[in-house]
Amino acid sequence: NAGVTQTPKFRVLKTGQSMTLLCAQDMNHEYMYWYRQDPGMGLRLIHYSVGEGTTAKGEVPDGYNVSRLKKQNFLLGLESAAPSQTSVYFCASSYAGQGYYSNQPQHFGDGTRLSIL
Amino acid sequence: GESVGLHLPTLSVQEGDNSIINCAYSNSASDYFIWYKQESGKGPQFIIDIRSNMDKRQGQRVTVLLNKTVKHLSLQIAATQPGDSAVYFCAETLLGGAQKLVFGQGTRLTINP
Repeated sequence: NAGVTQTPKFRVLKTGQSMTLLCAQDMNHEYMYWYRQDPGMGLRLIHYSVGEGTTAKGEVPDGYNVSRLKKQNFLLGLESAAPSQTSVYFCASSYAGQGYYSNQPQHFGDGTRLSIL
Repeated sequence: GESVGLHLPTLSVQEGDNSIINCAYSNSASDYFIWYKQESGKGPQFIIDIRSNMDKRQGQRVTVLLNKTVKHLSLQIAATQPGDSAVYFCAETLLGGAQKLVFGQGTRLTINP
């Protein structure tokens, strides 16, 4: 059972280039999330999805787009990379739950380290 | 917006001692809190959670305390081991729906032999 897998693990881009980060989960989770973590800071939510075909903005969505065409995959895109987007990107997933169990802990991947020159 | 903060950025303890990591949150509407452990080069790992209708919850060697009056959260780790060395984050959110977690800055816990 792999859990949450992120691809690639490392990437260096030049300013203005585009790329897509892939997140895959094999736990049949309904919810998926993308975060970024800057040095010495906690994670900040970029975008999230509550189900296949749905996405929503988080705390820091500018400069990013996402898609969830399949339940198990959540893609994060940078259309025109900027140095300010140099960060470690984490994907997470969780069960939707019901009632009292409507909040379930998020499970995280090991991150994609992205540098933009 | 409101965010979760931590009192101490670093904490050093002797192996075998108990550790207490503190967290202050500012959003009084938050009703679900989670502690995560992050080792170098890894993603956050779930430790323990607590809902606002509780003031204490225990796990294996860990206890989370919640004081809603002063908006304070703490993580107690009993008999700390070298493997406990990591950065610990608290996070807050609202119950129901997708979890839009707000993370604190983190506390680095170092275990001295």
